[in-house]
Amino acid sequence: AQTVTQSQPEMSVQEAETVTLSCTYDTSESDYYLFWYKQPPSRQMILVIRQEAYKQQNATENRFSVNFQKAAKSFSLKISDSQLGDAAMYFCAYRTYRNSGNTPLVFGKGTRLSVIA
Amino acid sequence: DAGVIQSPRHEVTEMGQEVTLRCKPISGHNSLFWYRQTMMRGLELLIYFNNNVPIDDSGMPEDRFSAKMPNASFSTLKIQPSEPRDSAVYFCASSTYGQPQHFGDGTRLSIL
Repeated sequence: AQTVTQSQPEMSVQEAETVTLSCTYDTSESDYYLFWYKQPPSRQMILVIRQEAYKQQNATENRFSVNFQKAAKSFSLKISDSQLGDAAMYFCAYRTYRNSGNTPLVFGKGTRLSVIA
Repeated sequence: DAGVIQSPRHEVTEMGQEVTLRCKPISGHNSLFWYRQTMMRGLELLIYFNNNVPIDDSGMPEDRFSAKMPNASFSTLKIQPSEPRDSAVYFCASSTYGQPQHFGDGTRLSIL
């Protein structure tokens, strides 16, 4: 079974600075997807960014980017120019690739990010 | 563009009562997932459906939990009888093949 580990329960960053959240995963599969979800106090689960394992290029979405190291099974999230609205719980998630249908997400325990004004 | 709709948003009930959580997936999505979030265990899968068919229910805690998807636009998660340890936030998510899952706003369930 796949596992996802987020080793930083809490992180903080100054407004406008950059922060990196860590995520490692364990799998024997070669094809899969990785995601970062954001959960603000409203408890919504908001997709931040996704990465397909077969793509070597790191995904980027505006101020959010990932460092995907497939051999090391590492998938970190970098937030640049941090804003107060970035304060939330961030979950790293793994999903198996199947050509026969969708598969569920396996989540890490989350990292709580605080942004200091 | 309607997202995943869950009801109720909050539910408070007494131990032993039946609880029914409801979910309407995004139109056109063919997969539906039920997750539970607790402080102790984090986010964990309970059950998921592809094309209205249950694929994996190994995450359902015990026989007190049941889930149905009678059609492509509706699913229920039922707990009978409920216990205090069932208190959690329950999320429903849907997706179409190869695309990320979209989550509902969750149901916060409190069993007294």
